[in-house]
Amino acid sequence: EDQVTQSPEALRLQEGESSSLNCSYTVSGLRGLFWYRQDPGKGPEFLFTLYSAGEEKEKERLKATLTKKESFLHITAPKPEDSATYLCAARLESGYALNFGKGTSLLVTP
Amino acid sequence: AAGVIQSPRHLIKEKRETATLKCYPIPRHDTVYWYQQGPGQDPQFLISFYEKMQSDKGSIPDRFSAQQFSDYHSELNMSSLELGDSALYFCASSQKQHEQYFGPGTRLTVT
Repeated sequence: EDQVTQSPEALRLQEGESSSLNCSYTVSGLRGLFWYRQDPGKGPEFLFTLYSAGEEKEKERLKATLTKKESFLHITAPKPEDSATYLCAARLESGYALNFGKGTSLLVTP
Repeated sequence: AAGVIQSPRHLIKEKRETATLKCYPIPRHDTVYWYQQGPGQDPQFLISFYEKMQSDKGSIPDRFSAQQFSDYHSELNMSSLELGDSALYFCASSQKQHEQYFGPGTRLTVT
């Protein structure tokens, strides 16, 4: 069965305290691995797409990496405005849908 | 930059009523997706359309139907509403099968 699992479920960081969020996937035929940020009551905001193992992408304080089994979202020196739920999603070769993980709720305190 | 537009933003309906949600994709995007997100849940894929044809189908109830029109906007029609249909409904759009950009969502409350 295709599965996307994110850990931890929740993470609390002090401002400036770097950390990583994990997304492990067991899918048959990965077409792409996507990272989104979602604020409460709002639509997911696209961050990154990764297509092949070894690929890395960066945007401001965020860096996403991909291996054959998992993806990491590294947050360097986070700020309170980085507080949100971070969702990863796998798109399979067989379809158009994004299969989301349950998300990691990140809280960054001053 | 233009984003995905959804209307209405909020909708309150009673059980057994019908509802129609509308989605206007980003200009030049040819693919539209619908997702349902319950409280504290991750988005669940319902259905997608590419060039006005259904391209994929997920966990969409038989009471729901959707279509994409010639101007690429899409409508999700929901009938015989149940309390469990209360959720945020997101539309997303993409150019071909590239990254999906989500709209702000329609919050549906069924009483």
